Amino acid sequence: AQSVTQLGSHVSVSEGALVLLRCNYSSSVPPYLFWYVQYPNQGLQLLLKYTTGATLVKGINGFEAEFKKSETSFHLTKPSAHMSDAAEYFCAVTPSGSARQLTFGSGTQLTVLP
Amino acid sequence: SQTIHQWPATLVQPVGSPLSLECTVEGTSNPNLYWYRQAAGRGLQLLFYSVGIGQISSEVPQNLSASRPQDRQFILSSKKLLLSDSGFYLCAWSAGGYNEQFFGPGTRLTVL
Repeated sequence: AQSVTQLGSHVSVSEGALVLLRCNYSSSVPPYLFWYVQYPNQGLQLLLKYTTGATLVKGINGFEAEFKKSETSFHLTKPSAHMSDAAEYFCAVTPSGSARQLTFGSGTQLTVLP
Repeated sequence: SQTIHQWPATLVQPVGSPLSLECTVEGTSNPNLYWYRQAAGRGLQLLFYSVGIGQISSEVPQNLSASRPQDRQFILSSKKLLLSDSGFYLCAWSAGGYNEQFFGPGTRLTVL
């Protein structure tokens, strides 16, 4: 079975500062990894995904994440936070790409301070 | 392109009343479909998934049921709502059984 741990249920950053949201996973087979963003009272939107190949993946809105197998991590970063980045972020893992077995972390609420 | 719709967007229902939430997908055929519940301050809980018409798998024993009467239609139902059924219900689809899921806009259900 796979699992996802998101460190920090709430993260606050100043506008223009680095955003770092942490995600660690466990999986017995090669994982596919995802980051989703959820704005208030909306559905989840896919930010980026890692399947195979290049370990640094770029997504929408200037976000990127790096798959580090040795650390079982898939942290999400953005060099400069914008007020519009305030939202909840979910990391998710699935073994070998099986969408049916997608497992979500508990989410990290990002607050951007002016 | 593919789109996913959910309705209603919000719903307030008394305890003991029935429920029907609908989800439809456009622009794809034979999608895998999913129902999730997101309770306040909690993550996503997978309730049901379907790989085809009439094929429903339940993940969590509960007061809810799901049906898939058409290829791109997924319905979440209850005969008698409980207070604990309150939450944000999300429908999602995936292209077959692999890769990412795409989510609808959600339905906010409040049971009073």
